[in-house]
Amino acid sequence: AQSVAQPEDQVNVAEGNPLTVKCTYSVSGNPYLFWYVQYPNRGLQFLLKYITGDNLVKGSYGFEAEFNKSQTSFHLKKPSALVSDSALYFCAVRDVDAGNMLTFGGGTRLMVKP
Amino acid sequence: DSGVTQTPKHLITATGQRVTLRCSPRSGDLSVYWYQQSLDQGLQFLIQYYNGEERAKGNILERFSAQQFPDLHSELNLSSLELGDSALYFCASSVVREPEAFFGQGTRLTVV
Repeated sequence: AQSVAQPEDQVNVAEGNPLTVKCTYSVSGNPYLFWYVQYPNRGLQFLLKYITGDNLVKGSYGFEAEFNKSQTSFHLKKPSALVSDSALYFCAVRDVDAGNMLTFGGGTRLMVKP
Repeated sequence: DSGVTQTPKHLITATGQRVTLRCSPRSGDLSVYWYQQSLDQGLQFLIQYYNGEERAKGNILERFSAQQFPDLHSELNLSSLELGDSALYFCASSVVREPEAFFGQGTRLTVV
């Protein structure tokens, strides 16, 4: 079975500072990893994915994520946070060998303060 | 805009009733997924269809069922509704060659 953990319910950061939203995963096979963002009363928007290759992947809106196989982590990062980045962020994993559905973490609320 | 369309956006109904949620996937996407988002359970995978056939099943109650039609749109049927079924129901779609799924804006179901 696959699982995802987002250890922080909320992350607070000042505008202009770097941000990190943590994610760890567990799969039996090779993982595909994703980050999605959810704004109030909206659906989930795809931010970025890791499939294979370079451990640092770049996505939309200046976000990037670092895949670390030994630590089974896939942390989301951004060098300089914007107030408009405030939203709910979900990490998800798909076990390549176990079907196509995504398993999501519990979500982390990012609050960026001016 | 993800290209995935869900209707209706909001639905209020009474306990014991039956509702149907509709999803139109992105053009060309053969896979459709249904997810439930609630405060206590988070985002839960319900069911997946691929080109009209059920492909995978998650934590879907027996009172719930789904289907995918020849034009690839999908419907999620929820019956004998209970207060605890109140949630956001998302549909997502994907193509075989790309692993990410694209989500609709969801249907907010309120059971009173």
